[in-house]
Amino acid sequence: AQSVTQLGSHVSVSEGALVLLRCNYSSSVPPYLFWYVQYPNQGLQLLLKYTSAATLVKGINGFEAEFKKSETSFHLTKPSAHMSDAAEYFCAVRPRRGYSTLTFGKGTMLLVSP
Amino acid sequence: DAGVIQSPRHEVTEMGQEVTLRCKPISGHNSLFWYRQTMMRGLELLIYFNNNVPIDDSGMPEDRFSAKMPNASFSTLKIQPSEPRDSAVYFCASSQRETSGSDTQYFGPGTRLLVL
Repeated sequence: AQSVTQLGSHVSVSEGALVLLRCNYSSSVPPYLFWYVQYPNQGLQLLLKYTSAATLVKGINGFEAEFKKSETSFHLTKPSAHMSDAAEYFCAVRPRRGYSTLTFGKGTMLLVSP
Repeated sequence: DAGVIQSPRHEVTEMGQEVTLRCKPISGHNSLFWYRQTMMRGLELLIYFNNNVPIDDSGMPEDRFSAKMPNASFSTLKIQPSEPRDSAVYFCASSQRETSGSDTQYFGPGTRLLVL
């Protein structure tokens, strides 16, 4: 079965610093990969998704993620954090073969300090 | 588009009462998902419908939970009787299912349920 691991339940950065949120998947066949963001008291919003075109995927709000098959990773990055980026971030996977629902990671809370 | 609409946004009830959560998916979407989010268990899929038919309800906790989708624009999640451990945020999401499986799920704002 597909699974996804997000390293670090909390990540703290200073405003202007690099943001790196880690996501690793377990699958012999690269799945579809998604990053969602959840702001306080809101639903989840898609940041970006990898479907097999470019391995570097650009999303909204300046975020991007790079698919690395050799590392089974899909880490999320942003060059310079803003206070407004403080939220919880979820990585999710779906297998390519057949149709299945998304499997979400446990989430990483991003804290941004001034 | 208005996005996925959920009601109520907040619900406080007493143990033993019936609770009904409602969802209106995005027009044109053919898949609908109900999730539950808690601090302890994270985000859990409860049930998913495709073309109004329940496809996978393996995540429904027990018989106290039931979900229906009478038409393409409306779904309900019912808890009867409710218990304090059902307190959580319940999300509805919808998508236009693609054969490739790369479709995006769009989430509603959630219903925050507190059972006293």
